[in-house]
Amino acid sequence: DAKTTQPPSMDCAEGRAANLPCNHSTISGNEYVYWYRQIHSQGPQYIIHGLKNNETNEMASLIITEDRKSSTLILPHATLRDTAVYYCIRLPQGGSEKLVFGKGTKLTVNP
Amino acid sequence: DAGVIQSPRHEVTEMGQEVTLRCKPISGHDYLFWYRQTMMRGLELLIYFNNNVPIDDSGMPEDRFSAKMPNASFSTLKIQPSEPRDSAVYFCASTLFGGVTGELFFGEGSRLTVL
Repeated sequence: DAKTTQPPSMDCAEGRAANLPCNHSTISGNEYVYWYRQIHSQGPQYIIHGLKNNETNEMASLIITEDRKSSTLILPHATLRDTAVYYCIRLPQGGSEKLVFGKGTKLTVNP
Repeated sequence: DAGVIQSPRHEVTEMGQEVTLRCKPISGHDYLFWYRQTMMRGLELLIYFNNNVPIDDSGMPEDRFSAKMPNASFSTLKIQPSEPRDSAVYFCASTLFGGVTGELFFGEGSRLTVL
């Protein structure tokens, strides 16, 4: 049970921002929000994670609502290579073994 | 760093045969995970090791599956005897305790087809 809710699919135009939503309304205070992606035929790849503050790295930005019930992963300038399944995962601190993948969102970046 | 290395990348075998999948984690990592991915069930954690010791194998589907980690740089997942329903992509992942919790580094996977 991934305990997060994501749309099954989304489309985005190349060069535009891709905003991927995730609902985690029952998240606990000690649980982080993690994002992974899986490009076809490859292993999952870590993108970013956060607790309650917004986070940014070279790959993406993560916006977490103040009540922490939902978050949005932002790919600021999507490219064709960003086409992948994106997974939003709740994970307690120190609990790598509890990484549970749901069905994720299939993002298709169109030329 | 070469990343997590898995072999073979593809394996086709017949029902009843023994299958051995191999994994070399990233040097220095002390956690190793085995996942299985199918269309029906998605990504499932089978077993994980910490410092070469199996910690939780509750995800291993049945006794036909076994995993070992004889040293810090090598792990195997064995299926004996194999069945068609074992057809899946098997991923190995590793991480370092004290590093970014939840940042697992996955290999490219081993695609198993059991006829």
